[in-house]
Amino acid sequence: ILNVEQSPQSLHVQEGDSTNFTCSFPSSNFYALHWYRWETAKSPEALFVMTLNGDEKKKGRISATLNTKEGYSYLYIKGSQPEDSATYLCAFNSNYQLIWGAGTKLIIKP
Amino acid sequence: KAGVTQTPRYLIKTRGQQVTLSCSPISGHRSVSWYQQTPGQGLQFLFEYFSETQRNKGNFPGRFSGRQFSNSRSEMNVSTLELGDSALYLCASSLDGQGAVEQYFGPGTRLTVT
Repeated sequence: ILNVEQSPQSLHVQEGDSTNFTCSFPSSNFYALHWYRWETAKSPEALFVMTLNGDEKKKGRISATLNTKEGYSYLYIKGSQPEDSATYLCAFNSNYQLIWGAGTKLIIKP
Repeated sequence: KAGVTQTPRYLIKTRGQQVTLSCSPISGHRSVSWYQQTPGQGLQFLFEYFSETQRNKGNFPGRFSGRQFSNSRSEMNVSTLELGDSALYLCASSLDGQGAVEQYFGPGTRLTVT
């Protein structure tokens, strides 16, 4: 059974601080790794889709890295802002389906 | 470009009834995936459709079924509802459902079974 693990489950970060969290996924038969942000009362929104080992993607203050050989990805947020409060989900692609982690709930304290 | 729409947004049903949920993908998107989200659980994959064909199905009982029409709109049906079916049901569309393509989610249908 393919499993995607995210840690930590939740995180409280002071506004202005930087933070990161982890997504672990099966290292065999890798195709793509997705990161999504899910804000309360909204729909999940894609942040990154990563396919290459060593890939690093960036969108504003948010960036992600990918290690397909060891099966992990990190998401970094630099200088956290209140609008970054959300649940961050990662998903591993397998056979036309995405297998999702349970998410990391990020709360930014003003 | 209009986003993914789902109807209805909220639904209350009783045990034993059946329900049909609808999803209209972004124009031009041919792949529609359905997910169930319950409290404390991640998104659980139900099924994926592309060009009216189900390409993959998650680990759900046969009471959960779906279909896709020629205009890429999709419906999912749950028969003989159980209390445990209470959840948020999300659909997501993408161009072709291939793994390296991002998915666009609808607002979801909140189903409550009493």
